[in-house]
Amino acid sequence: LAKTTQPISMDSYEGQEVNITCSHNNIATNDYITWYQQFPSQGPRFIIQGYKTKVTNEVASLFIPADRKSSTLSLPRVSLSDTAVYYCLVSGYSTLTFGKGTMLLVSP
Amino acid sequence: GAGVSQSPSNKVTEKGKDVELRCDPISGHTALYWYRQSLGQGLEFLIYFQGNSAPDKSGLPSDRFSAERTGGSVSTLTIQRTQQEDSAVYLCASSPRDREASPLHFGNGTRLTVT
Repeated sequence: LAKTTQPISMDSYEGQEVNITCSHNNIATNDYITWYQQFPSQGPRFIIQGYKTKVTNEVASLFIPADRKSSTLSLPRVSLSDTAVYYCLVSGYSTLTFGKGTMLLVSP
Repeated sequence: GAGVSQSPSNKVTEKGKDVELRCDPISGHTALYWYRQSLGQGLEFLIYFQGNSAPDKSGLPSDRFSAERTGGSVSTLTIQRTQQEDSAVYLCASSPRDREASPLHFGNGTRLTVT
């Protein structure tokens, strides 16, 4: 199973761009990389998913280098409401293992 | 449309009692997962159902834990003879699994407190 490593916490200020990097050195060929956001007392919510290169949607971008051993979630111009825990998940047709996530704190 | 629904949202039980937690997945989703999240921790995989295949029970922490999925829809997670260390939020997720690595849709969980 691909194991992921993320920073435990990050701090930012409103309006800044935040980049959270996840390491997954033993990612398999058929694994995708998915990021989730979790607020207190709620289940995780899907943000973005990718396989290689760059993916962008209305809330975030995901950058994946050619070797796919890491990925970076980029949140443009964060607001206070982006304070949450962010999980990087490497998934294929196997048990989906979540790490402990990154606690992002956005301050005014 | 309706998301994943879990009940009860909160459950307080005495040590040694049995509890049942219910999950109603999104209609049509063939994959269903149970996770456990202890305070301040990540998500711990418990069990995975996919269609009519035998479930992947590799994450169940002990034989006190079991789960069923009836008719490919509703699932029940049962914890027998509860212990204080079972206190956690139990999260259910479903996925259409119509392609590899389809994103998971989570419910808001059941917070279990064992006194």
